[in-house]
Amino acid sequence: DTEVTQTPKHLVMGMTNKKSLKCEQHMGHRAMYWYKQKAKKPPELMFVYSYEKLSINESVPSRFSPECPNSSLLNLHLHALQPEDSALYLCASRKGRNAYNEQFFGPGTRLTVL
Amino acid sequence: AQKVTQAQTEISVVEKEDVTLDCVYETRDTTYYLFWYKQPPSGELVFLIRRNSFDEQNEISGRYSWNFQKSTSSFNFTITASQVVDSAVYFCALSEPQGGSEKLVFGKGMKLTVNP
Repeated sequence: DTEVTQTPKHLVMGMTNKKSLKCEQHMGHRAMYWYKQKAKKPPELMFVYSYEKLSINESVPSRFSPECPNSSLLNLHLHALQPEDSALYLCASRKGRNAYNEQFFGPGTRLTVL
Repeated sequence: AQKVTQAQTEISVVEKEDVTLDCVYETRDTTYYLFWYKQPPSGELVFLIRRNSFDEQNEISGRYSWNFQKSTSSFNFTITASQVVDSAVYFCALSEPQGGSEKLVFGKGMKLTVNP
């Protein structure tokens, strides 16, 4: 299984809602990532988990809260988002911390904040 | 500082044309890794190739070929006999082992449209 799955595919939420994005991989990868991608832009790193510990937070606002319950699962909890947070949210995983290893990306969750 | 430049933002070609996507990078490290990813309209980034800084051999995989030249800090990607399915955004990216190896530095991406 060389796949990263993400649910839901699409999400529409109001600014007062609380929702969660889910990412799963069964490749035994120990590094997992959240990216945000706006239209016509490259992915922008948000968080990195390495061996289930948060290793990088790219100064992301606290309305985004990541969680890594186990080595296969990564969540992104969303609360009180703003319309400018509408974007494609991509999850990725990598075998380890070695810069040599490529990242495997999921199909993304397209988020719209009304 | 690490930087990846993809000077072309959009290219449109007709099927069967060859097309080259340029990538120029900046890094102070002697050890680094370069990647190409493809992002079709469906959204998922698909890994295409990795090259390390010590391996300047060019590579060919089917219709795809890559030319890595350290002297010009370039890692260009050529699609031969393009097909409609090649339509996508292509990203070049850089990764370094020192300080922040978890990070991939992406270029801005180049949108390729292949018309029938």
